[in-house]
Amino acid sequence: DIQLTQSPSFLSASVGDRVTITCRASQGISGYLAWYQQKPGKAPNLLIYAASTLQGGVPSRFSGSGSGTEFTLTISSLQPDDFATYYCQQTHTYPRTFGQGTKVEIK
Amino acid sequence: EVQLVESGGGLVQPGGSLRLSCAASGFTFTSFAMSWVRQAPGKGLEWVSSISSNGIGTYYADSLKGRFTISRDNSKKTLYLQMNSLGAEDTAVYYCAKAFLGGFDVWGQGTVVTVSS
Repeated sequence: DIQLTQSPSFLSASVGDRVTITCRASQGISGYLAWYQQKPGKAPNLLIYAASTLQGGVPSRFSGSGSGTEFTLTISSLQPDDFATYYCQQTHTYPRTFGQGTKVEIK
Repeated sequence: EVQLVESGGGLVQPGGSLRLSCAASGFTFTSFAMSWVRQAPGKGLEWVSSISSNGIGTYYADSLKGRFTISRDNSKKTLYLQMNSLGAEDTAVYYCAKAFLGGFDVWGQGTVVTVSS
């Protein structure tokens, strides 16, 4: 199975900060990676698919990059609505594994 | 409106069974693969199972050890998850999700499964 490791697991940041979350795959997955945002008590929300394609309706401050085994999610200017937990997911092979999550909290 | 609505969760004793349902609306159900994802209390997301648009291809997490069965009824636009031999480790919120170009773009609100005596 492909393992995904996110770093950091926890991040404290201020409104306006640039935030970067990394997701590393245990083997190459080309560009088959998605990113989700989840708020407490809510279902996840797809932000980015195919490593760098922004899902419709998602603010342009979110961006994704990477290929192979290393990927990043960047929030260019953190907004109050962005404090949440973020997950990566590989869509290259089954089982469709998720990273362990990165919680972004207010500094 | 594109919508997924799960049902069938509840309290079940260890060793028991439960069948979850997910009713789809607002999109062409027969065109998309579907999946179940769960989240144990305070934990991260765990992919459980996926099924192809025509129901022929099914895929499962290794950890399930053959206890769960995914299925779909395209005439009813409904996804199912049959869960047998449930244990405490299966306690979670179960989400159904629609596959889209490699990601899951539509999610239900989740249904809670609690395994306890």
